[in-house]
This record gives sequence, C-alpha cells and structure tokens, in this order.
Amino acid sequence: SQTIHQWPATLVQPVGSPLSLECTVEGTSNPNLYWYRQAAGRGLQLLFYSVGIGQISSEVPQNLSASRPQDRQFILSSKKLLLSDSGFYLCAWSGKNIQYFGAGTRLSVL
Amino acid sequence: DQQVKQNSPSLSVQEGRISILNCDYTNSMFDYFLWYKKYPAEGPTFLISISSIKDKNEDGRFTVFLNKSAKHLSLHIVPSQPGDSAVYFCAASGHSGTYKYIFGTGTRLKVLA
Repeated sequence: SQTIHQWPATLVQPVGSPLSLECTVEGTSNPNLYWYRQAAGRGLQLLFYSVGIGQISSEVPQNLSASRPQDRQFILSSKKLLLSDSGFYLCAWSGKNIQYFGAGTRLSVL
Repeated sequence: DQQVKQNSPSLSVQEGRISILNCDYTNSMFDYFLWYKKYPAEGPTFLISISSIKDKNEDGRFTVFLNKSAKHLSLHIVPSQPGDSAVYFCAASGHSGTYKYIFGTGTRLKVLA
C-alpha cells in the first residue's frame, strides 16, 4: 500500500533562517506531488505541484521554492524565512483522482 | 477569486442527527469533487468523492450530492457521531492531468453528545 511521510512534525525557526521540509512517498511510482499551506483559520492553498522529476509548477508567488530530486521525494525550501511563512504545511500525492496527504509540518517563524 | 466556497464556517449538530455540509463552486469546468475530514495538527483524510457524471455517491454514513446546474454539492453524515467532529473541506478539479484541486475554506463540524 502507498504511504506518505512528511517531516518534521513541528519546526520553530527564526526570521531569516533557511528552511527545508521533506516529503517522501512509498508504494507508488511517478506520482503527482503537491505542497499546500494552511494559514491560521484559512483553507488549503496549493503552493507547488510536480508531475515528474525536476518538473515543478508554482501556483503563487512567494518566498518558497520546491524541488523534486527523485521520483518519490518532494522538498520545500526557503533561503530566508519571513514571519508570514508561518503555517501548517502539507505534502500530498495523487492517485486516480484522489489526493492523499501527509501528517503535516507546523512551522512557526519567530 | 474563491472558486470553491464553503459559506458556513461552523456547524453544530446533535449526536444521531444528520449533518449537512455545503459547498458551492463557480467554475463549470470542474468535474471531480472530493470531501476531506481534518483533525487539528493532522493532514486531511479523504472521505468520499463524486464525478460530474453522477449526482449522488454513498459510502456508509457519508453521502455526497452534486447539483451541477446549481454548482453545488453537499455532504450528508447520518447518523452523526461525536468522532465526526472535525473540519471538513470540499475540493474541486477539472480535467488537467495534474489532478490539481481547489479547496474550500472548510466547515468546522461539532457533534454534540
């Protein structure tokens, strides 16, 4: 069966520090991969999606970037975090019209 | 522009009664819809889906209804249980091959024992 792993679960970072969140999927090949953010009291905003290795589409202009160095690995990064980057970040993969989510990372930028 | 709207931010229902969560969309190209349940500090869990070729889909206590002419879908939970208390998101997608979904802002359901 397919599983999705996302870490860390919680992260507290100072403003201006770099960020790297990792997501890996097991049990499937060539999945579509997604990064979402849920700001406090808001819905899920799609940040990036990828249909294959090295193929990244950005949905909103922001301070973040994404990379897909391997088929089942998706990384969310920032060179310098802003206060507004705080939120709950979710990785997802899709199979047969359904998106399946990881457990999420709570990022607090202080 | 919010293409998928959940106009009720919260809903309270007595245990055993029906919960009805609503979702409206604006893009007539949307042809596949999902409902998710989310507990705090966890990722959303897929509940049920519906394709635009159907107007109803059932899975146990959960039923989703789609009214394409009104661009409206609803999730019915019968009977509601305290464990159903969570935030529910609807999501919509069109034919793009990328399976990109637009999510609503969620409705917080509280089932009262």
